[in-house]
Amino acid sequence: NAGVTQTPKFRVLKTGQSMTLLCAQDMNHEYMYWYRQDPGMGLRLIHYSVGEGTTAKGEVPDGYNVSRLKKQNFLLGLESAAPSQTSVYFCASIPSVRGLEQFFGPGTRLTVL
Amino acid sequence: SQQGEEDPQALSIQEGENATMNCSYKTSINNLQWYRQNSGRGLVHLILIRSNEREKHSGRLRVTLDTSKKSSSLLITASRAADTASYFCATASSYNTDKLIFGTGTRLQVFP
Repeated sequence: NAGVTQTPKFRVLKTGQSMTLLCAQDMNHEYMYWYRQDPGMGLRLIHYSVGEGTTAKGEVPDGYNVSRLKKQNFLLGLESAAPSQTSVYFCASIPSVRGLEQFFGPGTRLTVL
Repeated sequence: SQQGEEDPQALSIQEGENATMNCSYKTSINNLQWYRQNSGRGLVHLILIRSNEREKHSGRLRVTLDTSKKSSSLLITASRAADTASYFCATASSYNTDKLIFGTGTRLQVFP
């Protein structure tokens, strides 16, 4: 099993450009999460999904959209990137039981110029 | 912000010494978890302690939980250079266990 994978690993965007980050998991997990990590801030939840076709807002959802069309994939979109979205983005997943350990992907480092 | 706070922000010790990190949180919790993050990597789950537990052990790790003080501590005994990493606590609220709230982390440096 590959676990949780993220594509791409690195990306540089110009202000106003759009992009989609892909998270994929092969563990048949129900719940998936997108976080951003900034220096000194820990991880902050952007959006999450408790099942295929469902999404919910987290702590910092503005400027991002998500979709969960397939159970194994969770997409994070930036429609018009801003320098404030420069960050490292992590995806995580858990099985159907709530509140248990999360399995993290390796991260995507995004720079917006 | 709902984020928890961790203390200290950074810690440097010699191999063989013990390392203690503290976490404070704000809401009633279902459980509290500790994660490790090596530089440039994703987080890895270390240990989970439920709200009705006071202490838990896993190998060289010992976690305590004091719900009356809304705090937890992580003790790493006989530290090794390979323990060098950032450590984060995360809480699952009693009211919504769908998501975790992460603390700001402690950077641990273990010198050989």
